[in-house]
Amino acid sequence: GQQLNQSPQSMFIQEGEDVSMNCTSSSIFNTWLWYKQEPGEGPVLLIALYKAGELTSNGRLTAQFGITRKDSFLNISASIPSDVGIYFCAGQLGTAGNKLTFGGGTRVLVKP
Amino acid sequence: DSGVTQTPKHLITATGQRVTLRCSPRSGDLSVYWYQQSLDQGLQFLIQYYNGEERAKGNILERFSAQQFPDLHSELNLSSLELGDSALYFCASSVRGSTGELFFGEGSRLTVL
Repeated sequence: GQQLNQSPQSMFIQEGEDVSMNCTSSSIFNTWLWYKQEPGEGPVLLIALYKAGELTSNGRLTAQFGITRKDSFLNISASIPSDVGIYFCAGQLGTAGNKLTFGGGTRVLVKP
Repeated sequence: DSGVTQTPKHLITATGQRVTLRCSPRSGDLSVYWYQQSLDQGLQFLIQYYNGEERAKGNILERFSAQQFPDLHSELNLSSLELGDSALYFCASSVRGSTGELFFGEGSRLTVL
């Protein structure tokens, strides 16, 4: 089946720095989405991308839909402590039904 | 607050038992999805309903079943529980049945002892 590989699996952030994470797939998707999950809560949608090459921002977050349709990246600029959480990419192939495939997540932690 | 309500928040039960998880979607959302989140498997899609009808099925075990009622709330039934069924079960909803833009509830944490 389809698999999404997210990297890095975890990262430490220092307040003010920019961070980046990405997601790759062995097969194409027509939609890429990025979700964030905080402890004790469900995932929350950050950004949705619908077109190959599309670059979309949501505040300090920027995500891009790869030209090959097999990858996406998410950047967080000027990180702050509340950026801590698990970030998931998700891909959707078709429009018949949902069947989102989620990546394994990137856990963002604050540098001690 | 996503507007999606799940009950119970926590549930502890024994192997072999049966439990029912309940989900109320956001007002106006016709589609309900169930996901399982475990430490080693990540978020796995189980099943989707749209306006009372099953729309898509993922890797849902035969011991699990779900339905969406006329008032659009949904229930996920898990039977003959095994230790490996311990996980967070999320419900999500959306207005349309084909979108990936989902609103997730806070989850029901199931522990099977």
